[in-house]
This record gives sequence, C-alpha cells and structure tokens, in this order.
Amino acid sequence: ILNVEQSPQSLHVQEGDSTNFTCSFPSSNFYALHWYRWETAKSPEALFVMTLNGDEKKKGRISATLNTKEGYSYLYIKGSQPEDSATYLCAPNRDDKIIFGKGTRLHILP
Amino acid sequence: DVKVTQSSRYLVKRTGEKVFLECVQDMDHENMFWYRQDPGLGLRLIYFSYDVKMKEKGDIPEGYSVSREKKERFSLILESASTNQTSMYLCASSLLGYSGNTIYFGEGSWLTVV
Repeated sequence: ILNVEQSPQSLHVQEGDSTNFTCSFPSSNFYALHWYRWETAKSPEALFVMTLNGDEKKKGRISATLNTKEGYSYLYIKGSQPEDSATYLCAPNRDDKIIFGKGTRLHILP
Repeated sequence: DVKVTQSSRYLVKRTGEKVFLECVQDMDHENMFWYRQDPGLGLRLIYFSYDVKMKEKGDIPEGYSVSREKKERFSLILESASTNQTSMYLCASSLLGYSGNTIYFGEGSWLTVV
C-alpha cells in the first residue's frame, strides 16, 4: 500500500492569513499527484493534477507545488476566506492505483 | 458537467441484510471506483472497475462485491451487512488510465448497519 502522509491533520487559520500544508509520498513509480477539496456535505472537488517534477499550479488564491524526487507536494492558500474551510486531500497515483491521504482539515476563524 | 449520482444518500440496514449501493455516471468514463470514508482513516479503495464486467480489488475488498453490467453503472454489494460496515461510501469515475485524469465523485451514501 502506498504510504501517503498529510500534515498537519487539522489547522485553524485566522481569516485573511495565508497558510500551507504538506503531502508526502514514496517517490518511486510516480505518475501524478491530485489535490482535492472536500467541503462538508459535498463531493470532493478536484483542485489540481500535477505530473512533472517542479510543477506549480495555481487556481485563484490556491496554489500547489510538486517535488517528485523527494516525494512531497505543498498546497498554499493566500488570504484565507471562510469558504476555504474544508478538508484538503492529496492523492498520488502509482501504477494503476490512486491512494488518498487522510487529509488536512482546515478551519478558517472569523 | 460530469455527474456521478449515488441513488441512496442515507440507508439504515439490519445486520445480515444484503445491501446494494448504486452509482451512475453520465460521462462515458471507463473507470469507476468505490471508496469508504471513516474518521481517522481517510478514503480507502474497496473495488474499482476499468471496463464493463471487469473488476479489481482495492485495499479493503473483504465483505464486499461489485457489479458492472453497463458502462455507466457500478454497484457495490454487501452480501451480509455487518456493523463494522457502517460508513460513508463514495462512488467515483474517471477516464481510462490514472495518470492525470481527474476523478469525479458522487455525493456519498451514508450507511448505518444496526
């Protein structure tokens, strides 16, 4: 089983502050890394798919970087807003399997 | 817009009952998946299918089976429900191949086994 670690498990951030969290994974047989946002009572929603070492993706205030050689990805949120409250899942895929991390639960404080 | 529909959102079943969870996708995706979500354990893959009548075990297939008779429909079957199968079940689909293909999820089915 692919070992995917996300840290921190939970995070409280003041509205307006920026934040980031980490996904680490074994670097062998890497194909792609997915980031998803999962809001309560909704379906997980795809944020990014990254495949190349050094990839950087951006979507509004959210961005992500990928290091496939050392096996990690960072997700950054700039100027946090209440709507950013969600669980953020990373999911590397290796061979034919995509395995999800346990997620980082982000709480935005007003 | 891709739509993955799980027909039953909330179910309560008795121990020993046979349970069917149905999932339909409307984007002609080859891959379909069933996950379960439990507190502290994340999303765990139960079964997946990359074609009609094809199925592959995920990480936790015990106590489950699946059926894919049509491309758009993937059913998860609990042959004899047990209380440790109380969970939230997520269906998902994607185009064939894993690399770089976005997985689209349904809204989840909450199953309670009493």
